[in-house]
Amino acid sequence: DAGVTQSPTHLIKTRGQQVTLRCSPKSGHDTVSWYQQALGQGPQFIFQYYEEEERQRGNFPDRFSGHQFPNYSSELNVNALLLGDSALYLCASSPGTDRGVYYGYTFGSGTRLTVV
Amino acid sequence: LAKTTQPISMDSYEGQEVNITCSHNNIATNDYITWYQQFPSQGPRFIIQGYKTKVTNEVASLFIPADRKSSTLSLPRVSLSDTAVYYCLVGDKYTGFQKLVFGTGTRLLVSP
Repeated sequence: DAGVTQSPTHLIKTRGQQVTLRCSPKSGHDTVSWYQQALGQGPQFIFQYYEEEERQRGNFPDRFSGHQFPNYSSELNVNALLLGDSALYLCASSPGTDRGVYYGYTFGSGTRLTVV
Repeated sequence: LAKTTQPISMDSYEGQEVNITCSHNNIATNDYITWYQQFPSQGPRFIIQGYKTKVTNEVASLFIPADRKSSTLSLPRVSLSDTAVYYCLVGDKYTGFQKLVFGTGTRLLVSP
């Protein structure tokens, strides 16, 4: 059973450019969340997608946007990249609909984005 | 969401038992306590979750006192491969929609 798959694993971009990161959720999961993790910090919630809609959003500027496709996969887009956007971007999936007990989110290994 | 406080780092040796305590004074009635483990350049991995008293699985034990204002993750007989960052989170268990709020975690270093 495949877990959460993210691509690419590493990426280097220049300030001002745009980037798209991709995520395939774990089989059976329909909700995808994105997190940004700066070096030495815990992951910070960016936004969450369910039924192709952004369901909730963290404290991130509009430069960060996303999309969810009918097969539940998701993309994270960041425009006008800043040096401070350099981080590990994590995708987490879960069975969003209330199915009673669940045992935590499943995270991917992340995409390491470096902005130069 | 309730805020959690953990030690920044801990050191241990192989074969020892490690206890990491988390403080969550403002935990709500519906909140559960969940612990995640994260290795470098990987995403967090679910370890254990509990509401009260004691929960044990093949990886760890979780001790939660009656007032639920703190919890302790216990790792029996740690090995070098247990070197990681451990995060304590609190939130409503019965939903897959919750926004996980991570602190800085506890960096555990296990030495030979």
